[in-house]
Amino acid sequence: EAGVAQSPRYKIIEKRQSVAFWCNPISGHATLYWYQQILGQGPKLLIQFQNNGVVDDSQLPKDRFSAERLKGVDSTLKIQPAKLEDSAVYLCASSLDGLAVPMYEQYFGPGTRLTVT
Amino acid sequence: KQEVTQIPAALSVPEGENLVLNCSFTDSAIYNLQWFRQDPGKGLTSLLLIQSSQREQTSGRLNASLDKSSGRSTLYIAASQPGDSATYLCAVIPSGTYKYIFGTGTRLKVLA
Repeated sequence: EAGVAQSPRYKIIEKRQSVAFWCNPISGHATLYWYQQILGQGPKLLIQFQNNGVVDDSQLPKDRFSAERLKGVDSTLKIQPAKLEDSAVYLCASSLDGLAVPMYEQYFGPGTRLTVT
Repeated sequence: KQEVTQIPAALSVPEGENLVLNCSFTDSAIYNLQWFRQDPGKGLTSLLLIQSSQREQTSGRLNASLDKSSGRSTLYIAASQPGDSATYLCAVIPSGTYKYIFGTGTRLKVLA
C-alpha cells in the first residue's frame, strides 16, 4: 500500500514570495490533514478535510494561508505572501475516517521543509 | 484547553538499556492517545495507538500504557538499540474534537 506522498521535499523562498505544497493521501482515506511543525515543537494542525469539505481550519492563518482538496483526493496548501516565521516542516496526513469514534490512525507523509529568507 | 507535555526533552542511554518516556496531558477526556516516532528530515511513523477504553498496547520491544485519570502515558522501550535513536512524540485527541494535540517530543539517542 502506497503511503502519503508530498512534494516538494524542500523549498527555499524569500519573504513575501508565494509557495504551494502538494499532498496525495493514501487511497480510500476520507480525511486529510495539514500540520505545521516548527523546529523543536510538535506538529500543529492547520486544516482538516473530510472528503472535499473543511472540518476544522481554526488554526489556519487565513490572511496568508489557503488550502483546497478538489475532488476529495489530492490537496494543495498555499502561502501568499510568506513570512520568516512560516519556516517550518509542513506535514500532510490522512486517515480512513477522521470523524469516526473510535478514531482511526493517522498516517503521515515525509513533509516539506520550507525555509523563508 | 488540552496541553500535552513530554519529559525529558532529550535522553541519551547506552545500548541495551530499558527506558521509559513520559507523556502527560491536562484533560483526561480523550478519545485516544498515540505514540509516534520521527526521524530527522522524515515524517511521523505511528508506533502505538491506545483507545480511551484501553490501558496498554504492545508491539515488539515497545509497550505503551495509559492512565486517563492521572493524565499520563508512558512508552517503555526494552533493550534499546542505536536504531531506536529518534524523536518520540505523543498526541491525544480530546473528546468532542477530531484533532490531535501533540507534545513537543523526547529526543532519544542510543549510544553503541
